[in-house]
Amino acid sequence: DTAVSQTPKYLVTQMGNDKSIKCEQNLGHDTMYWYKQDSKKFLKIMFSYNNKELIINETVPNRFSPKSPDKAHLNLHINSLELGDSAVYFCASTLGTGVLDTQYFGPGTRLTVL
Amino acid sequence: GDSVTQMEGPVTLSEEAFLTINCTYTATGYPSLFWYVQYPGEGLQLLLKATKADDKGSNKGFEATYRKETTSFHLEKGSVQVSDSAVYFCALRSSGSARQLTFGSGTQLTVLP
Repeated sequence: DTAVSQTPKYLVTQMGNDKSIKCEQNLGHDTMYWYKQDSKKFLKIMFSYNNKELIINETVPNRFSPKSPDKAHLNLHINSLELGDSAVYFCASTLGTGVLDTQYFGPGTRLTVL
Repeated sequence: GDSVTQMEGPVTLSEEAFLTINCTYTATGYPSLFWYVQYPGEGLQLLLKATKADDKGSNKGFEATYRKETTSFHLEKGSVQVSDSAVYFCALRSSGSARQLTFGSGTQLTVLP
């Protein structure tokens, strides 16, 4: 059974387009995250939701808008895509927000903007 | 703020060689420490973790000990295999980091037969 799943796995699109990436977890976790991994493999937090409420919003362009319809889903919508948005985006989840909680990651979505 | 400094790669070893990947950290309070592994084309998987000083995390032959005095969490394995080839990330989670993981830059390990 897949714990954290993302769709699509690969996304190739033109500059200026709007696209969405979906994430679902079946672990019963309350907290979900989006991370961006750049071409040098560096991982950085973008957003986090706890029980559908935004709790982390790092310095990310307004073109990125997360949406959490319920606590099992956290989608990422990106408007007006730019070349610099090309990266691998990882969704993750934890049971709660405690320091001891382990994060479980999805397989990633490789976004390529042409 | 919190930060993780990780040994730069890439690291290339022969099968059965000893592996050490250094990791040091700066954090608010008492963080939990993690090693994640990313195999080619896949997402991150938790390899091991330690939640307090002197704890040793271990899994699949890998070990790391939480050293508060040196703020380190070095990853070791006595005998690497070709299947260990992957990118390894050291990470921490502290009360001062608003609950997200702070990652090191990753170390690419290639094990040759």
